[in-house]
Amino acid sequence: QVQLVQSGAEVKKPGSTVKVSCKAFGGTFSSYAIKWVRQAPGQGLEWMGDFIPFFGTAKYPQKFQGRVTITADEFTSTGYMELSSLRSEDTAVYYCARGGAALDYWGQGTLVTVSS
Amino acid sequence: DIQMTQSPSTLSASVGDRVTITCRASQSISSWLAWYQQKAGKAPKLLIYKASSLERGVPSRFSGSGSGTEFTLTISSLQPDDFAAYYCQQYNNYTYSFGQGTKLEIK
Repeated sequence: QVQLVQSGAEVKKPGSTVKVSCKAFGGTFSSYAIKWVRQAPGQGLEWMGDFIPFFGTAKYPQKFQGRVTITADEFTSTGYMELSSLRSEDTAVYYCARGGAALDYWGQGTLVTVSS
Repeated sequence: DIQMTQSPSTLSASVGDRVTITCRASQSISSWLAWYQQKAGKAPKLLIYKASSLERGVPSRFSGSGSGTEFTLTISSLQPDDFAAYYCQQYNNYTYSFGQGTKLEIK
């Protein structure tokens, strides 16, 4: 059984950077893309990008290009999402998820609060 | 970018009702459409993938249909556990986007 366990909640100042981790237990880490999805309070889901361990490449939607970096460490089966130049609108729950076209396993979510 | 439009935004229904949620894509996505259920404070749960394939462990009262630009999620007989938010999600050319969600409420 696959389980994705994320790092704990963060409180950050505007303009700073946050890095969230996502450790995978079970399954073959390199076989699936790790995606990051965020959800602002009371809002819907937003794809932030993904990393394909097998190819070692990341892909980001235009909205986040230049501000988000998604990486993975195959040896520790851990994915990372780093978001820079934080602003209040980045306050959200950040999820990692595994999958290709559909996301079949999700982490528990990490709340990132951006506040001065 | 492909835009996904879900309707309705809110749906009030009773236990035992049959309900349908619609998702429209701004361009054809073939059958690359998934549906998720999300309960408050929890991560989304995959229900349907490739428009009509039921994820393992998901009750058979959930079904999906459609292709191209128009898709539906149907719950044949609502159970108390089904009152939640539902999202569609498309995959096309290595990009992903979600519908804005449908909140299914108890009438």
